[in-house]
Amino acid sequence: NAGVTQTPKFQVLKTGQSMTLQCAQDMNHNSMYWYRQDPGMGLRLIYYSASEGTTDKGEVPNGYNVSRLNKREFSLRLESAAPSQTSVYFCASSEALWTDYGYTFGSGTRLTVV
Amino acid sequence: SQQGEEDPQALSIQEGENATMNCSYKTSINNLQWYRQNSGRGLVHLILIRSNEREKHSGRLRVTLDTSKKSSSLLITASRAADTASYFCATGGGNKLTFGTGTQLKVEL
Repeated sequence: NAGVTQTPKFQVLKTGQSMTLQCAQDMNHNSMYWYRQDPGMGLRLIYYSASEGTTDKGEVPNGYNVSRLNKREFSLRLESAAPSQTSVYFCASSEALWTDYGYTFGSGTRLTVV
Repeated sequence: SQQGEEDPQALSIQEGENATMNCSYKTSINNLQWYRQNSGRGLVHLILIRSNEREKHSGRLRVTLDTSKKSSSLLITASRAADTASYFCATGGGNKLTFGTGTQLKVEL
């Protein structure tokens, strides 16, 4: 099983450029999440999707948009990248929204905005 | 804002020794989870302990939870070089997990 697959693994953007980070899971999980990880800050939740067709803001949603394309796929879009969005982005999924379930993480996208 | 805070921030031990790391949190929780992150990789779920449990074991891992002190500890027994990683606690309350900043564990040969 692939688990959670993220693409691309690395990306360099110029300030103002846009891009979409892709995430797909093959575990038939209902809920999916996007986190960013910065040194000394731990992981912070950007957006999440409780189930297909729903999305909600997390702790740091400004500058991002998401799309839950279907049950498998959850994409994160940066419309106009800023240097403050330089980070490592992780997608995760879980069986259901309630936190009684462990999360399965992808291997991350390392994004640099110059 | 982080709910869980791990202590220590960094820990270096010899192979075969036990490693203990702690997590403190501020508000009531439904459960607490521990994750491992190897360098350059995603997080891997290790163990979940519910708020009505006090201790849980999984292989060489032992987790305790003291809800009165709002704290948890993760013990890794007989550590191996492969245990070198960052370890994060995550507190579950409601509909999302909130992660701490992690403990960096280095196990030396």
